[in-house]
Amino acid sequence: AQSVAQPEDQVNVAEGNPLTVKCTYSVSGNPYLFWYVQYPNRGLQFLLKYITGDNLVKGSYGFEAEFNKSQTSFHLKKPSALVSDSALYFCAVRVDFSGNTPLVFGKGTRLSVIA
Amino acid sequence: DTGVSQNPRHKITKRGQNVTFRCDPISEHNRLYWYRQTLGQGPEFLTYFQNEAQLEKSRLLSDRFSAERPKGSFSTLEIQRTEQGDSAMYLCASSTPPGQGMNTEAFFGQGTRLTVV
Repeated sequence: AQSVAQPEDQVNVAEGNPLTVKCTYSVSGNPYLFWYVQYPNRGLQFLLKYITGDNLVKGSYGFEAEFNKSQTSFHLKKPSALVSDSALYFCAVRVDFSGNTPLVFGKGTRLSVIA
Repeated sequence: DTGVSQNPRHKITKRGQNVTFRCDPISEHNRLYWYRQTLGQGPEFLTYFQNEAQLEKSRLLSDRFSAERPKGSFSTLEIQRTEQGDSAMYLCASSTPPGQGMNTEAFFGQGTRLTVV
């Protein structure tokens, strides 16, 4: 079975500082990894994905994530945090190439960027 | 607006009543997913369709829940004899299958928040 762990319920960072939101995964095959962001009373918005190729993936709003196969991690990063980045972040994994299995989400990490 | 649309946005119902939610996916997407999200949790998969065919159902989808996508376009999710434990945000998402963008991401609607009193 596939699963995702987000070990931190809450991450606090000062505006302008780098931020990291952690994600580890467990799958029986090759993982296809995603990050989504959720603002209050809104649906999830896609940020970035890793399918294959370069381990460093760049996405929307200046976010990036690094796929690390040996550590089974896919941490989300941003060099300089903005107050507007404050939201709930979800990591998700899918294991099959054909896409016939749905995304499995972590519990989410609440990011708070303080001015 | 060409995104995923869900109606209603909010629904308050009395325990034991039936409710139905609607999802209109992005028009060129033939895959449609339903998820449920409770407070402090990530979205949990309920079921998904490719065109009009329901291909997978989660064990979370009890016999009180039924989903349809009769013409392969919009979908409905019905909950019969609602219980307080059904209170949650119900999210719909759509995507295209691989080959039209290899494992493309799912695009989510804003959700329907159900409160059972």
